[in-house]
Amino acid sequence: DAKTTQPNSMESNEEEPVHLPCNHSTISGTDYIHWYRQLPSQGPEYVIHGLTSNVNNRMASLAIAEDRKSSTLILHRATLRDAAVYYCICTQGGSEKLVFGKGTKLTVNP
Amino acid sequence: GAVVSQHPSWVICKSGTSVKIECRSLDFQATTMFWYRQFPKQSLMLMATSNEGSKATYEQGVEKDKFLINHASLTLSTLTVTSAHPEDSSFYICSATRSNQPQHFGDGTRLSIL
Repeated sequence: DAKTTQPNSMESNEEEPVHLPCNHSTISGTDYIHWYRQLPSQGPEYVIHGLTSNVNNRMASLAIAEDRKSSTLILHRATLRDAAVYYCICTQGGSEKLVFGKGTKLTVNP
Repeated sequence: GAVVSQHPSWVICKSGTSVKIECRSLDFQATTMFWYRQFPKQSLMLMATSNEGSKATYEQGVEKDKFLINHASLTLSTLTVTSAHPEDSSFYICSATRSNQPQHFGDGTRLSIL
């Protein structure tokens, strides 16, 4: 699986957009890009995933660079409930195994 | 969204006892379940992958005789920590998935061994 690099922490203000970056320069052509988040004392929660095209769902948007070596998770309007550790994970095509890195701890200020 | 229930949510027991943790997918049939462990201020570490009706596949360094996994049905997997010791104290989390769908996680079990 491709290694991912994320900033250790980020801060945002409530109701402002948040862009969480992820580098995955060794990604292969069939690797998917997944984002999960973990709130304190809870199990992780699926956020979004994509392969090549940008993806949108009710929680967030995923912007994938044209060369696929990086991606950005976009929370359009941060709320206090979005404060969590966000994990960017690349998986081999067809493999369901997730390898969690350290992720980005997002703090949302009121 | 899909719901995965984990029980118990926390347990405290004496050193040397065995502890069983259940993981249930409540609204879908999970072909694969995963077990993770998370120490304080660290990330999740995959312990094993469990497919219904077959033996679990353990990650390197995880003792299969210490962490017994049973996946008897498409909605239930159990992890038994045998002869638990204080160093086994951790946050254990399961997830369930099917057919390349996203993993859905339980809320974890906090295990404390005295």
